[in-house]
Parts: sequence; C-alpha cells; structure tokens
Amino acid sequence: AQSVAQPEDQVNVAEGNPLTVKCTYSVSGNPYLFWYVQYPNRGLQFLLKYITGDNLVKGSYGFEAEFNKSQTSFHLKKPSALVSDSALYFCAVRRGGSGGYNKLIFGAGTRLAVHP
Amino acid sequence: EAGVAQSPRYKIIEKRQSVAFWCNPISGHATLYWYQQILGQGPKLLIQFQNNGVVDDSQLPKDRFSAERLKGVDSTLKIQPAKLEDSAVYLCASSLEPGQGLETQYFGPGTRLLVL
Repeated sequence: AQSVAQPEDQVNVAEGNPLTVKCTYSVSGNPYLFWYVQYPNRGLQFLLKYITGDNLVKGSYGFEAEFNKSQTSFHLKKPSALVSDSALYFCAVRRGGSGGYNKLIFGAGTRLAVHP
Repeated sequence: EAGVAQSPRYKIIEKRQSVAFWCNPISGHATLYWYQQILGQGPKLLIQFQNNGVVDDSQLPKDRFSAERLKGVDSTLKIQPAKLEDSAVYLCASSLEPGQGLETQYFGPGTRLLVL
C-alpha cells in the first residue's frame, strides 16, 4: 500500500534562513512524487513533481526538492525563506507508470511558519 | 488559462439534509477527481472520473455520497443525508489523462461544508 509521512506538524524558520520540509514515502515500484502548498481558504497549489531523471527538482517560487531513493525521501527545500511562504505544505505520492489509475496519496501536511 | 472552478464556496446545513457541489475542470482535462479534506488531514480521494466513466470510487461512502460527470466535463458531488462527520472541505481537481508525466492534478478552491 502507498503511504506518505510528514514527520513534522510544524516547521518554524526565520526569514532569510534556509528551510526544509520533510517527506518520506512508501510505494511499490517507481514513485511519482509531488509537493503542493495550501494557503488559508484556498485549494492546493502545485509546486513541483518528480517523475524521473535528475534527483533535484526545481519548482515554483524558488522551491526545490531532492528525491532520495535509498532513503525513500522527497524533502522540500528553499535557500532563503520569505514570510509569504508561511502556509500548509503537502507531500503526495502515486505509483509510477502509464496506464494506471492509482490514486494520489497525501501526507497529513506540515505547517510552515516563517518569522520576520 | 482558467483554473478549476467550484461552487458554492461555503455551505452550512443541518444533519440529514442534502447538499450538492459543482465542479468545472480545466478545459481539455479528461480526468476529474473529488477529494475530502477533513481539518488537520491531507486530502483523501473520494472518486476519480476518466471522461464520464468512474475509474476509482473505492473510498466513496456510496450509501450517502453520489457523483456524476455528464458529458465528460462538469461534475456534481451529492451528499444525502449528511452526517456531522461530513464536515470538511471538498476539493475538485483535474488533470490530463494519467500517463508519463502528464498527471499533475490542479485543484479548485474547494467547498467548505459545515454540518450542524
């Protein structure tokens, strides 16, 4: 069965400092991995995804994520945090490959708080 | 490009009443998803349509929830009768047909349902 773990309910970071939001996953076969961000009273907004290729994936708003197959992790990172990055972040996984209708499994979310 | 549209944005009903949510996906997206997001949790897939056919409704409580996607475009999710535990945000998402790298799901703003 597929699963996603986001071990931290909340991450606090000072503006200008680097940030990391952790995600580990479990899936049979090759994973497709996604990060989404949710602002208050808004839907989920796509940030980036890993399908195949380079393990370092760059996405929107300066975010990036590194796929680590041996550690089954897909941590979200940003070199310099902004107060406006404060939001709820979700990691998600599905089993890779074409032709399947495997559902996207989401983690419980990590609240990022960036302090001025 | 217009995003996923949902209405209403908010709905308050009493238990045992019925309610319906509407979703209009991104133009050209063959796949439509309905998710339930309970406070403090990640979204959980309720039902997935490919064009106007259901491909996954394994987590849809079929005794009270129903969904349809007539003509393969707009979709409606209905709850009848509603229970207190149905209080959640209902998110609609759409994507191109699942395949190599094409399955990024784009979400609407959601409908926040409160059952009293």
